[in-house]
Amino acid sequence: QSVLTQPPSVSGAPGQRVTISCTGSSSNIGAGYDVHWYQQLPGTAPKLLIYGNSNRPSGVPDRFSGSKSGTSASLAITGLQAEDEADYYCQSYDSSLSGWGVFGGGTKLTVL
Amino acid sequence: QVQLQESGPGLVKPSETLSLTCTVSGGSISSYYWSWIRQPAGKGLEWIGRIYTSGSTNYNPSLKSRVTMSVDTSKNQFSLKLSSVTAADTAVYYCARDSVSIAARNWFDPWGQGTLVTVSS
Repeated sequence: QSVLTQPPSVSGAPGQRVTISCTGSSSNIGAGYDVHWYQQLPGTAPKLLIYGNSNRPSGVPDRFSGSKSGTSASLAITGLQAEDEADYYCQSYDSSLSGWGVFGGGTKLTVL
Repeated sequence: QVQLQESGPGLVKPSETLSLTCTVSGGSISSYYWSWIRQPAGKGLEWIGRIYTSGSTNYNPSLKSRVTMSVDTSKNQFSLKLSSVTAADTAVYYCARDSVSIAARNWFDPWGQGTLVTVSS
């Protein structure tokens, strides 16, 4: 059972917009700790997609955006492309677990 | 840019110790925290622990009794040892750089490509 809860799967057609939620609690996201997002393409290592809730590293398309409110965070992908099909993970810090890296369970994005 | 590469045995027997090394290239290992993260097949990511170049460590409480990390700044390497392994420790093991020293703000970037370790007799 992950500390951060994500939907197991989401899907969308090319060109559409999808969102992936990451729900936490008062000891992690709700405490104001930053949320970060990673994209894991099949057979590869996770790659940083969003850091500090809403910041994109250089090279990440602006189709990807992140937000945070209360005890939840969201990753939005607009103009969905076939190459976006991947697993997406959120990550934060949890004060009750002394954990530097608590992850969500991951969400499989399928591009229809 | 900085690149990370994991190395070590791909097969470890139950009850023995898993040992992996991460080699950092394209930059210095100094003045950063470095983490190990694992992923069982078809499952999510689990942070194992991190080490600073001074040797200071922080471990996941669920693994703390079995984990030892070390660093060799002369070789630009850091290492993971996980003792008394079982089949549940079978996973792809990644090394990664912590991007900031403040745990509450930290993210992991970059990551190594990962190495599969299977625990089996």
